[in-house]
Amino acid sequence: ETGVTQSPTHLIKTRGQQVTLRCSSQSGHNTVSWYQQALGQGPQFIFQYYREEENGRGNFPPRFSGLQFPNYSSELNVNALELDDSALYLCASSLGQGAGTNEKLFFGSGTQLSVL
Amino acid sequence: RKEVEQDPGPFNVPEGATVAFNCTYSNSASQSFFWYRQDCRKEPKLLMSVYSSGNEDGRFTAQLNRASQYISLLIRDSKLSDSATYLCVVRRNNAGNMLTFGGGTRLMVKP
Repeated sequence: ETGVTQSPTHLIKTRGQQVTLRCSSQSGHNTVSWYQQALGQGPQFIFQYYREEENGRGNFPPRFSGLQFPNYSSELNVNALELDDSALYLCASSLGQGAGTNEKLFFGSGTQLSVL
Repeated sequence: RKEVEQDPGPFNVPEGATVAFNCTYSNSASQSFFWYRQDCRKEPKLLMSVYSSGNEDGRFTAQLNRASQYISLLIRDSKLSDSATYLCVVRRNNAGNMLTFGGGTRLMVKP
């Protein structure tokens, strides 16, 4: 177990709705990053939060947004859901921003989102 | 062209076989390299980091060729439990925790 927990594990939404996914990082970890993994593909970086501020973003539109709380837990919000948003959403926590070349990420088991 | 390219497979091999996976990356600013293992619809787990000098962890050997921008993973004496998807991963310099994943190579080890 990595100590990173995500909720819910599965979710079904319809196109146009909004969704919030949650992540509790491993104790002591101040950095959370989110990834989207479509079926048959590798995970794609969405964004990273360090001490409650977004400090890195991948190629995702603004309707993907996030928050990090003082206890370092995090939320991923997706507005105006599209069919292509159906994917496994993974949260990963780490101690630090990844400046160290061997800084390790700990992944949660993910939230499977289906958009109908 | 994807930044990290892998043969998706599947590679179907018998138990005890040796199997090799290859990966190429296009961004020369890539600084750190990893192989992750992912079981069906579960989270990726770090298998090993990859160093220019090559490194070994039991039955697993990883190699990096920076000049060719090429990474490999060799699995010797395959076990049924090695069946999984193997993800080649790079991290660019100054990219924080932004990892760039390949699409993965699926391995199926059969009795």
